[in-house]
Amino acid sequence: GENVEQHPSTLSVQEGDSAVIKCTYSDSASNYFPWYKQELGKRPQLIIDIRSNVGEKKDQRIAVTLNKTAKHFSLHITETQPEDSAVYFCAAFISNFGNEKLTFGTGTRLTIIP
Amino acid sequence: NAGVTQTPKFQVLKTGQSMTLQCAQDMNHEYMSWYRQDPGMGLRLIHYSVGAGITDQGEVPNGYNVSRSTTEDFPLRLLSAAPSQTSVYFCASGPGGGTGGNTIYFGEGSWLTVV
Repeated sequence: GENVEQHPSTLSVQEGDSAVIKCTYSDSASNYFPWYKQELGKRPQLIIDIRSNVGEKKDQRIAVTLNKTAKHFSLHITETQPEDSAVYFCAAFISNFGNEKLTFGTGTRLTIIP
Repeated sequence: NAGVTQTPKFQVLKTGQSMTLQCAQDMNHEYMSWYRQDPGMGLRLIHYSVGAGITDQGEVPNGYNVSRSTTEDFPLRLLSAAPSQTSVYFCASGPGGGTGGNTIYFGEGSWLTVV
């Protein structure tokens, strides 16, 4: 089955600096890679996603890159703000007919230092 | 459009009791799934379904049963609760259909404590 590894497990950055979280996946059949932000006691919320036919996607201060050959994808947050503090999860989704499964990484606790 | 609705939000069970966590979605999604999240941990897939009448096991299925008699509902049954099943349970759904690139929506979670 799919295995998603996520690094680092914790990350502290100064407000205004950039944060980068990296993930690798094992199954080349995975074709959709969402990133979720989870605040304490809340459900995971989708913040950005990328499909396997795209190499990069940007939404304001958040960007995601995908390297299918290396099976790597990364989340980049620029100009970090205190409200970016949360746990971030990457995930890989296999979506072939009859086989659909979303596998999560273990999470990164991001702390923005004012 | 309520999205993904989970009940109950909080539950305390005694060891050996059984119960069902309910999950319903009103978005006509084919794909539904259950995850558990232990304190400070990631989300682990318990069971999932790609359509009515079809279910499959995820990463941690032992001690749990599911059924998918309708497109809208995907209940999770704990057969004989154990303290190790103390966790937060999330139901999630998405359009599915094998087309790829489908947004997955999460319910608000169900906090379960087994004593």
